[in-house]
Amino acid sequence: QKEVEQNSGPLSVPEGAIASLNCTYSDRVSQSFFWYRQYSGKSPELIMSIYSNGDKEDGRFTAQLNKASQYVSLLIRDSQPSDSATYLCAVTGNTDKLIFGTGTRLQVFP
Amino acid sequence: DVKVTQSSRYLVKRTGEKVFLECVQDMDHENMFWYRQDPGLGLRLIYFSYDVKMKEKGDIPEGYSVSREKKERFSLILESASTNQTSMYLCASSWGQTETEAFFGQGTRLTVV
Repeated sequence: QKEVEQNSGPLSVPEGAIASLNCTYSDRVSQSFFWYRQYSGKSPELIMSIYSNGDKEDGRFTAQLNKASQYVSLLIRDSQPSDSATYLCAVTGNTDKLIFGTGTRLQVFP
Repeated sequence: DVKVTQSSRYLVKRTGEKVFLECVQDMDHENMFWYRQDPGLGLRLIYFSYDVKMKEKGDIPEGYSVSREKKERFSLILESASTNQTSMYLCASSWGQTETEAFFGQGTRLTVV
């Protein structure tokens, strides 16, 4: 079993809709959770971090963490064509070693 | 702003060559990472360093080694380059705490011919 799993997509949503991206992880001692966005040909950039159960909102982005289910998600409200990118879920355990999932490609169409 | 700089944007090397990829960060970060990224496989961790001269293997360390003699610099070494090491290599750094975010360099596209 992979440590961090994501559906590769593509996930296609219309402009203005909510995009929901999901991630599961296998290590129960995982402590920190991140969502990175990567545009084609660019390096990943952090968009959200979450460390405790529940929701964390930042503008149009909401990260949700459920440690009991080993599940973290990212919601993008009012999706824009500029949100089209690959979204990478990343996790650290009881060390700072950062492990990534394979990413979900999001396409937002006008 | 945090800056992570990789020494080359593009490299072409021959099979069997020893290859050095350099990464420098300017934020006094404790942690540094080397990943490779291939289509459909995401970012795979090669090596992780949590302090000077300290390292930990990632998921795919075979064929690679690393060096961290100074805090700001983390080098990835391909001892004898092979064509299956053709990839995008990404360096990242982060603070030495678990509540931390990693910052990435611009990447090095390595082609081994």
